[in-house]
Amino acid sequence: DAGITQSPRHKVTETGTPVTLRCHQTENHRYMYWYRQDPGHGLRLIHYSYGVKDTDKGEVSDGYSVSRSKTEDFLLTLESATSSQTSVYFCAISSDRSYEQYFGPGTRLTVT
Amino acid sequence: KNQVEQSPQSLIILEGKNCTLQCNYTVSPFSNLRWYKQDTGRGPVSLTIMTFSENTKSNGRYTATLDADTKQSSLHITASQLSDSASYICVVSASGAGSYQLTFGKGTKLSVIP
Repeated sequence: DAGITQSPRHKVTETGTPVTLRCHQTENHRYMYWYRQDPGHGLRLIHYSYGVKDTDKGEVSDGYSVSRSKTEDFLLTLESATSSQTSVYFCAISSDRSYEQYFGPGTRLTVT
Repeated sequence: KNQVEQSPQSLIILEGKNCTLQCNYTVSPFSNLRWYKQDTGRGPVSLTIMTFSENTKSNGRYTATLDADTKQSSLHITASQLSDSASYICVVSASGAGSYQLTFGKGTKLSVIP
């Protein structure tokens, strides 16, 4: 998985609780991305980062925030989890925005 | 709106047989097209990436074609193996005016049976 780890790999949480997912890379790539994958949908971009402290929204950013204080770490936070945020979350990295993206192993999040 | 449509949705083939997966897109302005393989419970892994000027690209038993005029791509798998059982995702990127966007297809689920 190209030097990308995600934690936790599985999480079950209750509606209304905050949740933070972590993506860690050892490739020193500039770009990092958070996607969600749901049945019947293609992967959808939540947020991405183009450098330390530089982030931007994707197509499904409502209810999510991100932070990147170090090159190697990109955090995704659900401020108040809802059942609609039950999904598999993938982190990806790339050295340039137009270059190939490498995906992490995913985090399966269940909000009850 | 940029869209990527893949067909078939699912496919079952016998081990050793060939198959072809289709991808049609309406993405503009086109930058490149990628095929990913996603094993169950894993993240997608890149198979090929093709720019506008490339019409064929191979990666082992996988051969991708691109027709930028008709906005169609195909992924041909030769002599299938049980390990080819996975979802195959077509991804098209659009680039222009300082922006860059990837549009993902929903994937084709391939099952290779003995």
